[in-house]
Amino acid sequence: SQQGEEDPQALSIQEGENATMNCSYKTSINNLQWYRQNSGRGLVHLILIRSNEREKHSGRLRVTLDTSKKSSSLLITASRAADTASYFCGQETSGSRLTFGEGTQLTVNP
Amino acid sequence: NAGVMQNPRHLVRRRGQEARLRCSPMKGHSHVYWYRQLPEEGLKFMVYLQKENIIDESGMPKERFSAEFPKEGPSILRIQQVVRGDSAAYFCASSPQRYEQYFGPGTRLTVT
Repeated sequence: SQQGEEDPQALSIQEGENATMNCSYKTSINNLQWYRQNSGRGLVHLILIRSNEREKHSGRLRVTLDTSKKSSSLLITASRAADTASYFCGQETSGSRLTFGEGTQLTVNP
Repeated sequence: NAGVMQNPRHLVRRRGQEARLRCSPMKGHSHVYWYRQLPEEGLKFMVYLQKENIIDESGMPKERFSAEFPKEGPSILRIQQVVRGDSAAYFCASSPQRYEQYFGPGTRLTVT
């Protein structure tokens, strides 16, 4: 599998429910950044978590990082229809470039 | 504080023409990254530049593609003799190194 894979590929939930997306990677990272992309738009930065951090919060978002398992998760609590989007994790390795997976398509039904 | 700006937002070129995509980073950011996104796929790194220097171009196709970030003005991604397979969304991001990368709205290139 390629560096940086989000799981699941697609997720459909009802408004008010929580959504959890996972990201796995292969090589060691400096940091990991979660982004949201609405259809046909650019990426919006959500949270950056550094390799020495285990958890970060921002509003309804919670990101965890487990470097021993080379995985991260993004939790969106009390989801809203406006959260419908694709979510990507980008891993920053050496040289500052970000490596992305294919993303998780989240659909929140009203 | 304006975000990353890209223009044009949409660009249509015929096969064999040249495409020039521009990116103005956020104020105070001297690091620029270009990524390409094919339909239904994630973003793929192309090139990383600092002012007047290409730092990492390992994601750039060997032929027809070039990038620059001059001392003055925007960063330019140039695609010569475009082919249909170049049709994609091209995103630029900027950052102060080791911090968040902020993305522009992208340029959607269509090759007819």
